[in-house]
Amino acid sequence: NAGVTQTPKFQVLKTGQSMTLQCAQDMNHEYMSWYRQDPGMGLRLIHYSVGAGITDQGEVPNGYNVSRSTTEDFPLRLLSAAPSQTSVYFCASSILLQQGYEQYFGPGTRLTVT
Amino acid sequence: AQKVTQAQTEISVVEKEDVTLDCVYETRDTTYYLFWYKQPPSGELVFLIRRNSFDEQNEISGRYSWNFQKSTSSFNFTITASQVVDSAVYFCALINTGTASKLTFGTGTRLQVTL
Repeated sequence: NAGVTQTPKFQVLKTGQSMTLQCAQDMNHEYMSWYRQDPGMGLRLIHYSVGAGITDQGEVPNGYNVSRSTTEDFPLRLLSAAPSQTSVYFCASSILLQQGYEQYFGPGTRLTVT
Repeated sequence: AQKVTQAQTEISVVEKEDVTLDCVYETRDTTYYLFWYKQPPSGELVFLIRRNSFDEQNEISGRYSWNFQKSTSSFNFTITASQVVDSAVYFCALINTGTASKLTFGTGTRLQVTL
């Protein structure tokens, strides 16, 4: 199992550019989510999905789009990058087991918008 | 709405000292899970522990121990005999049953362990 993979690891964008952060998991987990991490603010939920074809907004969804056409993939799209979107982005997948939730995080993507 | 508060922004200790990281949470749900994660300087998130709301037993794992008290809505983390390798940012997080995708994180506590 590769677990949760994210690409790219680093990205620099100019203001106004668009891009897609890729996230994939090979554990057949129903639940997937995207978080951003900013200094002093912990991780905040951007969007999440409870299964293929189902997505919903989290705490900070503005400026981002997601889709979930397959169980494995959950890409995050930045429509028109802004300096305020400079952050570290983490993708996660999770499953509910008998002993509780298991959450798996990807290694993160560090995005800088100039 | 739920909330996790880690009031300690940064803690510095000398190696071999014990240190406790505080976590206070708020939720209206009766069934929930609490987590601690470690984020070393390399940046990845490392899972440390999960505790469900029905299990108030304290847990010890090597030098790590956790104290869960529902009466005070706290889930504190103690490192005994700290080591330099413990230097990291530690996050406490909460998830309610039925919202498996939605972790609420605290703002983290940066622990610096020096020789």
